[in-house]
Amino acid sequence: DAKTTQPTSMDCAEGRAANLPCNHSTISGNEYVYWYRQIHSQGPQYIIHGLKNNETNEMASLIITEDRKSSTLILPHATLRDTAVYYCIVINNNDMRFGAGTRLTVKP
Amino acid sequence: EAQVTQNPRYLITVTGKKLTVTCSQNMNHEYMSWYRQDPGLGLRQIYYSMNVEVTDKGDVPEGYKVSRKEKRNFPLILESPSPNQTSLYFCASSPSVVSSYNEQFFGPGTRLTVL
Repeated sequence: DAKTTQPTSMDCAEGRAANLPCNHSTISGNEYVYWYRQIHSQGPQYIIHGLKNNETNEMASLIITEDRKSSTLILPHATLRDTAVYYCIVINNNDMRFGAGTRLTVKP
Repeated sequence: EAQVTQNPRYLITVTGKKLTVTCSQNMNHEYMSWYRQDPGLGLRQIYYSMNVEVTDKGDVPEGYKVSRKEKRNFPLILESPSPNQTSLYFCASSPSVVSSYNEQFFGPGTRLTVL
């Protein structure tokens, strides 16, 4: 089973921030949190990853709680093209299991 | 352009007819893997390879074979396809699984239908 829990679906208004939560309560000290997204049936696309510090890149920000048991992916100004399934996964070496993800729908 | 390519992109075949889906990456990545995606089940890993001649089973390896004779190629072989292998297949590669950075790059997918 995947090591993460995410809501099945979320909606967000265009131009607003989208905050996607992920629980990973069994995460161990050397495991990274990665976020990917999949638009329709295309190959998943890497967004961001982190270990314990918050991270930001041109696509998104990743906020990891101090106990590392949960994280939030933030898309600061969601657009219609951000409509996709977002996967939060915990990676340790060769274990890259994807769960069902969160289907984010950005609405005009 | 750095990419992962898969061929064919679409395939309709019949039960029992052996087929191979090729996967190639041009980024000199050590790690490669195959996933299948089915409605409601997300992405499930079939096989992975940490380097040349090193392969291992993922979560759903039954009915599949792989080989890693060269670093850039990681073909998926279905010796005797069955209808329950009808799925969308993705190949992925990443630089290494022993570093902290192992972003996976995914191919465009192969949609397989077994009749």
